[in-house]
Amino acid sequence: NAGVTQTPKFQVLKTGQSMTLQCAQDMNHEYMSWYRQDPGMGLRLIHYSVGAGITDQGEVPNGYNVSRSTTEDFPLRLLSAAPSQTSVYFCASSPDPGTIIYEQYFGPGTRLTVT
Amino acid sequence: GESVGLHLPTLSVQEGDNSIINCAYSNSASDYFIWYKQESGKGPQFIIDIRSNMDKRQGQRVTVLLNKTVKHLSLQIAATQPGDSAVYFCAETSDSGAGSYQLTFGKGTKLSVIP
Repeated sequence: NAGVTQTPKFQVLKTGQSMTLQCAQDMNHEYMSWYRQDPGMGLRLIHYSVGAGITDQGEVPNGYNVSRSTTEDFPLRLLSAAPSQTSVYFCASSPDPGTIIYEQYFGPGTRLTVT
Repeated sequence: GESVGLHLPTLSVQEGDNSIINCAYSNSASDYFIWYKQESGKGPQFIIDIRSNMDKRQGQRVTVLLNKTVKHLSLQIAATQPGDSAVYFCAETSDSGAGSYQLTFGKGTKLSVIP
């Protein structure tokens, strides 16, 4: 299994551009999520999904859209990039958030710079 | 708002010594806690978890202690090795309703092991 994969690894955008960060997992996990990590800070939840066709907002959803058309994929869209969205983005998946062992598997991250 | 935080942002320990990383939480509704390890350039990796009905849980070379009275969580690493050098995050969630789908992360503690 490849686990959780993210593409691209690095991206530079100009203010106002849009793009999609890709995330895929091959573990048949129901739960997937997107976090952003800023210097000196912990991860903050952007959006999450508990299954195909179901998404919900996390702590910092503004400026981002998600969709979950399949169990495997959970893309994150930046509608109009802003310098404040410069960050490292992590995708994660988990078999079932309702179980006692809440073990998320994280992807390697996408480092995004908005100029 | 309520948050999870860390007492010490950096910690340097001699190889072979024990390490203790601390975390304070303020959300009294939190009942599930997790420690993650993040190596440079990688996504966080699950280390150990603990539920609020426990005071202590042990893994391989790691022990998590939970003091609900003072809302304090700690991670103890025995016989610290160079491979333990990383940033360590605590995270919390509520196991009830929608809260179980969202993790709140602390800011992280950087552990440096001196050979």
